Amino acid sequence: GAVVSQHPSWVICKSGTSVKIECRSLDFQATTMFWYRQFPKQSLMLMATSNEGSKATYEQGVEKDKFLINHASLTLSTLTVTSAHPEDSSFYICSASNSGRADTQYFGPGTRLTVL
Amino acid sequence: DAKTTQPTSMDCAEGRAANLPCNHSTISGNEYVYWYRQIHSQGPQYIIHGLKNNETNEMASLIITEDRKSSTLILPHATLRDTAVYYCIVGSYPGSSNTGKLIFGQGTTLQVKP
Repeated sequence: GAVVSQHPSWVICKSGTSVKIECRSLDFQATTMFWYRQFPKQSLMLMATSNEGSKATYEQGVEKDKFLINHASLTLSTLTVTSAHPEDSSFYICSASNSGRADTQYFGPGTRLTVL
Repeated sequence: DAKTTQPTSMDCAEGRAANLPCNHSTISGNEYVYWYRQIHSQGPQYIIHGLKNNETNEMASLIITEDRKSSTLILPHATLRDTAVYYCIVGSYPGSSNTGKLIFGQGTTLQVKP
């Protein structure tokens, strides 16, 4: 099946710094990528949808200036958490699709962010 | 998108069939039922989806009631590796402008026991 990778798999940073998380589709071209956030013992929450070459569409309540998403190529999307604070500590998961269909949406392994 | 209701948790004996129910009484005519699962600290994995007919693949079977207000995911011979959170999601049909967007509920934590 299609493979999606994320880098880094975990990161610890100081409060106030910015952290970039990469999401790559390794063996297919992803026209659409999705970013999710998951707090401990909770479900995944969709943060934004990004289409290659266009601006991301953010879900209600997600600050676009804090969570910068770039989808510059068909195999790479990045999420930058700017001025991170402890409440941003979470599990960030991306998914990628080459068709936009929910049944062909492949998820990455996730990135664990801890902000001290 | 329609909301789904699932039991919080279920247990299943290894080797037995696991039947995971899902209620989606407000599903609209063009919405599909998708099932994903998430093994601890990993990204979700697609299992199966359907519109109104029962579906089967190498992982599971999906039984959708005739009125489409509920469905059941069946893992025919559960193994310890099937222990995970199972999400039932109602989503836009393939090809729609909103396609691909998945709104996860709380899911069912399935514990397969030896």
